[in-house]
Amino acid sequence: KAGVTQTPRYLIKTRGQQVTLSCSPISGHRSVSWYQQTPGQGLQFLFEYFSETQRNKGNFPGRFSGRQFSNSRSEMNVSTLELGDSALYLCASSSQILTSGAYNEQFFGPGTRLTVL
Amino acid sequence: AQKVTQAQTEISVVEKEDVTLDCVYETRDTTYYLFWYKQPPSGELVFLIRRNSFDEQNEISGRYSWNFQKSTSSFNFTITASQVVDSAVYFCALSGLPNDYKLSFGAGTTVTVRA
Repeated sequence: KAGVTQTPRYLIKTRGQQVTLSCSPISGHRSVSWYQQTPGQGLQFLFEYFSETQRNKGNFPGRFSGRQFSNSRSEMNVSTLELGDSALYLCASSSQILTSGAYNEQFFGPGTRLTVL
Repeated sequence: AQKVTQAQTEISVVEKEDVTLDCVYETRDTTYYLFWYKQPPSGELVFLIRRNSFDEQNEISGRYSWNFQKSTSSFNFTITASQVVDSAVYFCALSGLPNDYKLSFGAGTTVTVRA
């Protein structure tokens, strides 16, 4: 089974621009989460989508948005880029929720490294 | 609010030594899940282990073992007989209810295993 794929792997943008990152989950996985990783703030949760609906959102400004398509692929968008948006953006996917209270592991992609100049 | 604290910033050991990583967490949830992830230099987070709050049984999986103590809110992780390939950043993480896929991560501990 192919893992989580993220495109592009590297991206360089300038302040004020906008960027769109893409994530393809593992086949059959319907939950996709996004995280931002920076040296200063560490790993922070951005949002999570399940069946095209945003179920959970982290504490990020409205410049950060996302969406999920019917095939579970997800995109996140950052508008009006700031220098502080330079980070590794990680996407994770998980299979459908179990009803027994068990938890399905999240599998992470390799990330997109965004540099804002 | 959930919080995960990894007090150790860096650990350096010689190959074959054991490495124990500390993790302390805070949560108001009565049901929660604890994880350890490994991040090698390639950047991808690799899932290692998961524990739920209602099962304090400690286990060993290969060279990995963990010690979950609810009374002290700790979830420590041990690598036995470390190898150079174990060099990575290790993250402890916490999640709430079964349908809450928001992971709260600790700051990470960089483990360097020297040959």
